[in-house]
Amino acid sequence: SSELTQDPAVSVALGQTVRITCQGDSLRRYSATWYQQKPGQAPVVVIYGDNNRPSGIPDRFSGSSLGDTASLTITGAQAEDEADFYCNSRGSTGDYLVFGGGTKVTVL
Amino acid sequence: QLQLQESGPGLLKPSETLSLTCTVSGGSISSGSDCWGWVRQPPGKGLEWIGSVCYSGKTYSSPSLKSRVTISVSTSKHQFSLKLSSVTAADTAVYYCVRENNSGVVTPWFAPWGQGTLVTVSS
Repeated sequence: SSELTQDPAVSVALGQTVRITCQGDSLRRYSATWYQQKPGQAPVVVIYGDNNRPSGIPDRFSGSSLGDTASLTITGAQAEDEADFYCNSRGSTGDYLVFGGGTKVTVL
Repeated sequence: QLQLQESGPGLLKPSETLSLTCTVSGGSISSGSDCWGWVRQPPGKGLEWIGSVCYSGKTYSSPSLKSRVTISVSTSKHQFSLKLSSVTAADTAVYYCVRENNSGVVTPWFAPWGQGTLVTVSS
């Protein structure tokens, strides 16, 4: 099992807000990165450093972190946001990286 | 715009060594703060970080793969490479090469990604 734990799946109504969480002890010390992956495509970073959004990523994506849990929030989910989302951070000793198991987001 | 492209054999037999190369174009592979890495994804499963190599020559890799992984960089060829020894069916995956952005962050982030290349291990 991964050092970072994510819920396998969540659903959200079109236009509503959804929060995806990532839990792990290393998140107390290290920041989280979030990736979005659509079917057949390479992942794309949507949040880095817990709450920074790369250029070109819509501002409906936001990130936060508190204690051992990092969160990705999609405010006003769109149909094109349906995808798998993965969190990533450093492992327990800090000298390696680890992904969470991924969360499949379905937009209803 | 920086682009990455993986290349290498798509089919291997158990016990062979996987060798992949990532060619970097549209930018420098010699940036002092960045590293270059590999991520894989078994069919229908999640992402797994394999390891990275930095311009300084420092390498680091997943504890679960460390004994089998070698990652190197060739600045003259604008390429970096992955070797994974003694492969089994469990190593069947899409392998992505990535640039690891380290500037100003505690946890590096990966962008851009290559398109990925499927490597199948089968007898």
